[in-house]
Amino acid sequence: SQELEQSPQSLIVQEGKNLTINCTSSKTLYGLYWYKQKYGEGLIFLMMLQKGGEEKSHEKITAKLDEKKQQSSLHITASQPSHAGIYLCGADPGAGSYQLTFGKGTKLSVIP
Amino acid sequence: NAGVTQTPKFQVLKTGQSMTLQCAQDMNHEYMSWYRQDPGMGLRLIHYSVGAGITDQGEVPNGYNVSRSTTEDFPLRLLSAAPSQTSVYFCASRPQGGGQPQHFGDGTRLSIL
Repeated sequence: SQELEQSPQSLIVQEGKNLTINCTSSKTLYGLYWYKQKYGEGLIFLMMLQKGGEEKSHEKITAKLDEKKQQSSLHITASQPSHAGIYLCGADPGAGSYQLTFGKGTKLSVIP
Repeated sequence: NAGVTQTPKFQVLKTGQSMTLQCAQDMNHEYMSWYRQDPGMGLRLIHYSVGAGITDQGEVPNGYNVSRSTTEDFPLRLLSAAPSQTSVYFCASRPQGGGQPQHFGDGTRLSIL
């Protein structure tokens, strides 16, 4: 079965600093999804990556999928308190598969 | 557009009690699933359904039942609640076929005393 390893497990940054969260898969990724979760709320979909080398950005968040499709990174530029939360990566284990496999999450705290 | 709606948001039960967690989606998604989220364990799949009348077990199905009589609804039943089932439960839905994200409800926080 596919496993996703996220690093770091937790991160504390000063407001305005850049940061990167990594997600590494034990198998080739058919689709990689990034979600954000605030305490007491559900998971909010951020971005989806499918092609090797693909990069997507939304506001100050950029997600990349490496050429081998086994590792993804989420980069936040000039972090703000609103970026605080738990970031999870999820993966399609195979083409046409329904079930996503999730990493255990990275807890991000942003200090004003 | 409501998306995925879970009820209740919070619940406290006594050991041995039974209850049903409700989940409804209005996006006509074929695939629905239930996860539990525990500290340090991430999201673990309990049960899932690929369409009305079809359900299957996930990673941690013991102690839970599901049914899917309509496309919209996917309730999760706790048969006899145990303290080990204290968790946050999330329902999610997804369109048929890969390449689409799952949409999550806001979760149900369940405590078993």
